[in-house]
Amino acid sequence: QKEVEQNSGPLSVPEGAIASLNCTYSDRVSQSFFWYRQYSGKSPELIMSIYSNGDKEDGRFTAQLNKASQYVSLLIRDSQPSDSATYLCAGGGNTGFQKLVFGTGTRLLVSP
Amino acid sequence: GAGVSQSPSNKVTEKGKDVELRCDPISGHTALYWYRQSLGQGLEFLIYFQGNSAPDKSGLPSDRFSAERTGGSVSTLTIQRTQQEDSAVYLCASSPREARRVGTQYFGPGTRLLVL
Repeated sequence: QKEVEQNSGPLSVPEGAIASLNCTYSDRVSQSFFWYRQYSGKSPELIMSIYSNGDKEDGRFTAQLNKASQYVSLLIRDSQPSDSATYLCAGGGNTGFQKLVFGTGTRLLVSP
Repeated sequence: GAGVSQSPSNKVTEKGKDVELRCDPISGHTALYWYRQSLGQGLEFLIYFQGNSAPDKSGLPSDRFSAERTGGSVSTLTIQRTQQEDSAVYLCASSPREARRVGTQYFGPGTRLLVL
């Protein structure tokens, strides 16, 4: 099993809809989780971090972490065409495994 | 404050030449990562430095690739005898040390390498 796995997409949603992006992870990356957004030709930029079970909201973005099921998701409410990008999930372990590991990314397309 | 900087922003070289790519991390960040990203592909991990620990070189694709980090700050990625398949964007990221978890990574703008 890869340490962090994502569906490559593309995930297509209409403007105004909720986009749901999912990521599963292995036991080695069980402590810290991050969602990054990468526009074409640009570097990844951090959207959210989440460390505890449950939901974390920031504006239109909600990150959800379920450690029992080993998945982390990102919900984007009221999706806009400007949200069209590749979304990278990343996970990190504890003292024994400090390296941050990225998934391959999910491409999101929001149509007007 | 200043973010991660990389130089050069673009590099065109001929097959067989050596290239050096530089990364200046955010001041005080103890961890530094190098990634490679080919067109339309995901991030490919290359190497990871954390403080004074031995670097994790598990992602380096061949012995033509090497990296060093001097004084725990600036890092240089060297590619010897470049090949056309080395053409990609090389991204550097740094992160602070946190007590019990992996720190957030902050990315530089990348170096776009084209090997002719």
